Amino acid sequence: DVQVVESGGGLVKPGGSLRLSCAASGFTFSRSSMNWVRQAPGKGLEWVSSISSSSRHIYYADSVKGRFTISRDNAKNSLYLQMNSLRAEDTALYFCAGGHSGYDLVFGFWGQGTLVTVSS
Amino acid sequence: EIVMTQSPATLSLSPGERATLSCRASQSVSSNLAWYQQKPGQAPRLLIYVASTRATGIPARFSGSGSGTEFTLTISSLQSEDFAVYSCQQYNDWPLTFGGGTKVEIK
Repeated sequence: DVQVVESGGGLVKPGGSLRLSCAASGFTFSRSSMNWVRQAPGKGLEWVSSISSSSRHIYYADSVKGRFTISRDNAKNSLYLQMNSLRAEDTALYFCAGGHSGYDLVFGFWGQGTLVTVSS
Repeated sequence: EIVMTQSPATLSLSPGERATLSCRASQSVSSNLAWYQQKPGQAPRLLIYVASTRATGIPARFSGSGSGTEFTLTISSLQSEDFAVYSCQQYNDWPLTFGGGTKVEIK
């Protein structure tokens, strides 16, 4: 079965850093674009970043551009999100998500998320 | 940025009733629109993509329609497990954007 499991969330002070990881299994990770989507408490979904299978193409939401870096290690079937200069408004549940049936930007499978709380 | 607007914010219906949810894009997204269902404490689940194609395992009571800027998700006869929040997402252009969601609650 297709599975992605996020980890690395936690409590961090404003201005701090955190690195999220997403471990993938059950599909050919190296051929799949991957994404991060977040959801602030009680709010809607917000796309954060996407990375193509070869890492050649990378995109960010304006709200995180310059502070977050998406990366992947295809040998380890893993996706990462390096989060720097964190702000209170980055507090959210962060989901790792993959495409569906060749549609890379349709989020066909999701992890359960890892919670990031930015607070002093 | 393409802004996605969903209406209504909340829909109060009884089991067996028909639900009609709307999603409007601030500019054309062609048919590059997806719908997701999310229940409390769970990750979203893909229901519909390319505006009207049901994802694998999604019951036939869920249908999507529309193109351009106006889209509709219809649940023909609400089952107890359908009470949830529904979000639309455009993938026609960067940045990818979601609507704010419609909560379908039990009346």
